[in-house]
Amino acid sequence: NAGVTQTPKFQVLKTGQSMTLQCAQDMNHNSMYWYRQDPGMGLRLIYYSASEGTTDKGEVPNGYNVSRLNKREFSLRLESAAPSQTSVYFCASSEELAGGDQPQHFGDGTRLSIL
Amino acid sequence: AQTVTQSQPEMSVQEAETVTLSCTYDTSESNYYLFWYKQPPSRQMILVIRQEAYKQQNATENRFSVNFQKAAKSFSLKISDSQLGDTAMYFCAFKSGGSNYKLTFGKGTLLTVNP
Repeated sequence: NAGVTQTPKFQVLKTGQSMTLQCAQDMNHNSMYWYRQDPGMGLRLIYYSASEGTTDKGEVPNGYNVSRLNKREFSLRLESAAPSQTSVYFCASSEELAGGDQPQHFGDGTRLSIL
Repeated sequence: AQTVTQSQPEMSVQEAETVTLSCTYDTSESNYYLFWYKQPPSRQMILVIRQEAYKQQNATENRFSVNFQKAAKSFSLKISDSQLGDTAMYFCAFKSGGSNYKLTFGKGTLLTVNP
């Protein structure tokens, strides 16, 4: 019963390096999300994909790109990593319909450090 | 834009006692959904309970219940018979009932259950 799987779990990068965080869900959910969690800030939405083939910016999209590869997979890319992107990144998915109350199911997170 | 406020950064409770975590939110909408998520030291985000705004009855899930006061825009979480495994960060979250998929989180309350 995998749910939402994120890889890697930990990563250290140097400033300017690029990196793709992978996320896959096996619940046949339509919607997927990327969040970042910083101390004292709660979770903030970076990008989301309401359905396969669509992506939209969230609250803090600058410095990130996303790809909804298929219904299962939603990746987050840092093209040129900066120390301000040091954070814990969470992927989530939901069987989402507009206006619905379906909860989001989260992966275990990726701890990313940018030196 | 909606905001979610958790005014208690940290709380502690003795094992077997009852504790209430506060959450207030700001919205002009009448239809929306509220959630409490738990994040233990393992970092996983776990749904605890959810409430639909148009339902007057407070949601309950075993030892967890909410006190939903729509007019006051308050959504507190009560944990009865606290257990050591309840030690975690708790996040309150708001979701619009419209076409917006965004989940807005509060900054969290760190709950410690003491033996």
